[in-house]
Amino acid sequence: QVQLHESGPRLQKPSETLTLTCNVSGDSITNSGYYWGWARQPPGKGLDWVGIMYYGGSPYYNPSLESRVTISLDTPKNQFSLTLTSVTGADTAVYYCVRVDDTHGYPLPFFESWGQGIFVTVSS
Amino acid sequence: EVVMTQSPATLSVSPGETATLSCRASQTVYSHLAWYQQRPGQSPRLLVYNAFTRVSGVPDRFSGSGSGTEFTLTISSLQSDDFAVYYCLQYSDGYNFGQGTKLEI
Repeated sequence: QVQLHESGPRLQKPSETLTLTCNVSGDSITNSGYYWGWARQPPGKGLDWVGIMYYGGSPYYNPSLESRVTISLDTPKNQFSLTLTSVTGADTAVYYCVRVDDTHGYPLPFFESWGQGIFVTVSS
Repeated sequence: EVVMTQSPATLSVSPGETATLSCRASQTVYSHLAWYQQRPGQSPRLLVYNAFTRVSGVPDRFSGSGSGTEFTLTISSLQSDDFAVYYCLQYSDGYNFGQGTKLEI
């Protein structure tokens, strides 16, 4: 069973760059049946997707964040990361790394297995 | 952008009863819809995908239905750990989550 675990800073200053890492166990991020991605949830609010990427492919980002976000894969470490530039208070949220299932041939893969989440506060 | 609207925002039911949660899409998403359960302090858990396909290990008390723009998640014989927030997600045209339905006692 796949397990995902987020790590990174809990506090980030406004205008800085946030980098989070997701460590994957129980599966390989080179597995062709899955994408790897991020979602987030502001305090007391609902879920939103950040972006997804698969090994050897191009990323797919939420258009509202596309100018500030980068997802990259580190295959030797079996990890993937999220970089979000120029953060503001609106980026305060629980960030989840997610395995995204592309084994069914749907137009898009769906968010399947979620990490426990990491709460990041953006504040000076 | 596809807008997903869940109703009701909060649903009060009693253990043993049946809960019916709705999710409406602003345009057709065919059957490309998933349902998630999020208990307090936990990460979301996938329950159903393709509108009606239950994930392995999810009790058959959870049942998804619908297609196009109207979808329903039915939870029968409610148990105490079913009380949570439920989200729908469309993955037909980009991704859009509903705002959630809180199922409470």
